[in-house]
Amino acid sequence: DVKVTQSSRYLVKRTGEKVFLECVQDMDHENMFWYRQDPGLGLRLIYFSYDVKMKEKGDIPEGYSVSREKKERFSLILESASTNQTSMYLCASTKGVPGTEAFFGQGTRLTVV
Amino acid sequence: SQQGEEDPQALSIQEGENATMNCSYKTSINNLQWYRQNSGRGLVHLILIRSNEREKHSGRLRVTLDTSKKSSSLLITASRAADTASYFCATNTGNQFYFGTGTSLTVIP
Repeated sequence: DVKVTQSSRYLVKRTGEKVFLECVQDMDHENMFWYRQDPGLGLRLIYFSYDVKMKEKGDIPEGYSVSREKKERFSLILESASTNQTSMYLCASTKGVPGTEAFFGQGTRLTVV
Repeated sequence: SQQGEEDPQALSIQEGENATMNCSYKTSINNLQWYRQNSGRGLVHLILIRSNEREKHSGRLRVTLDTSKKSSSLLITASRAADTASYFCATNTGNQFYFGTGTSLTVIP
């Protein structure tokens, strides 16, 4: 059974903390994505990576960075968490071939207090 | 932003009725996909339609695509309470995926 696994389902952090969200996939997929989901705004792309050590900014990269040191792992980093980063974060992966489906993790609901 | 938009934002129907939701997008695409999200969970792939296709069926799902209007629709026939979820369209250009804002469907038993 193919899987995308996010390290936490729920996370509570304090303003100013550095936060790491981890995502691991076991499908040998080339592409990995981080989205945030907010009511009424749908899914917005933060960053994506099409290969190890490669990354591209999405629509809302400000306040975030990413790391992909190994093919199976894609980390989202909030350098200094703020309350407006309270959201649901979703990781996804796809094969490197256009036209294939995306597989999602179960989501991490992050609350910054 | 390349994000698409679904219409309506919310839809409530009786069990057994059909549900139709629409998606508009902004850029040229390789394909368009529809996903389902149960409350508080990740998204699950439903169906993919390629840019050279006009209609596709999968079980109770029917998807249409009009590339000239940059729009797609998802029809769920004979709806069930278990179809209650949010539905998202996603456009795929190259290696990038962009999702719409979603339609929240409630099927009343």
